[in-house]
Amino acid sequence: GIQVEQSPPDLILQEGANSTLRCNFSDSVNNLQWFHQNPWGQLINLFYIPSGTKQNGRLSATTVATERYSLLYISSSQTTDSGVYFCAVEEGTSGSRLTFGEGTQLTVNP
Amino acid sequence: NAGVTQTPKFQVLKTGQSMTLQCAQDMNHNSMYWYRQDPGMGLRLIYYSASEGTTDKGEVPNGYNVSRLNKREFSLRLESAAPSQTSVYFCASSEGPRRYEQYFGPGTRLTVT
Repeated sequence: GIQVEQSPPDLILQEGANSTLRCNFSDSVNNLQWFHQNPWGQLINLFYIPSGTKQNGRLSATTVATERYSLLYISSSQTTDSGVYFCAVEEGTSGSRLTFGEGTQLTVNP
Repeated sequence: NAGVTQTPKFQVLKTGQSMTLQCAQDMNHNSMYWYRQDPGMGLRLIYYSASEGTTDKGEVPNGYNVSRLNKREFSLRLESAAPSQTSVYFCASSEGPRRYEQYFGPGTRLTVT
């Protein structure tokens, strides 16, 4: 099956700093989503981005499907951005299932 | 709209007991999914239902059964719980089985002693 690797595994920032999270995947994908899992365990949809670039406030994401990676940018980080960020992909051939990476644990200190 | 709802939020079982986790969505989605999340890991698919009346195995189906009761509801049953099934269980739904965004419920935290 498809492999999904996220980096870095852990990231500690001061409030106001910018960061880039990376997701590499091993095969073609139909679907790529970024999620934020907050400290209460809730999964929040950030982006549905199988290709191209999207922006939502301080967050933006870019997926280069031909090179098999996606990037999540967080600008002017806030303490509420803390949590785990997951990349999940739907394999091109099999479909119907999201394969998750192991996540990036982000801590934003005041 | 409530989105995807799950009951219960927490559950403790003894080894060998059975239980059913309930999931409902009000977005008129065709496809529904059950995932589990173990500590420090991403989610893994247990079962999914591409449309009403169909169910298929995911990556880790052993020890579970599912029922797509109607378009809104998708339940997950543990017939004989084992400590290895201690996990957080998430239900999700999407408009269709491929190339659609999935939306997740709040999760059920299950402990099997």
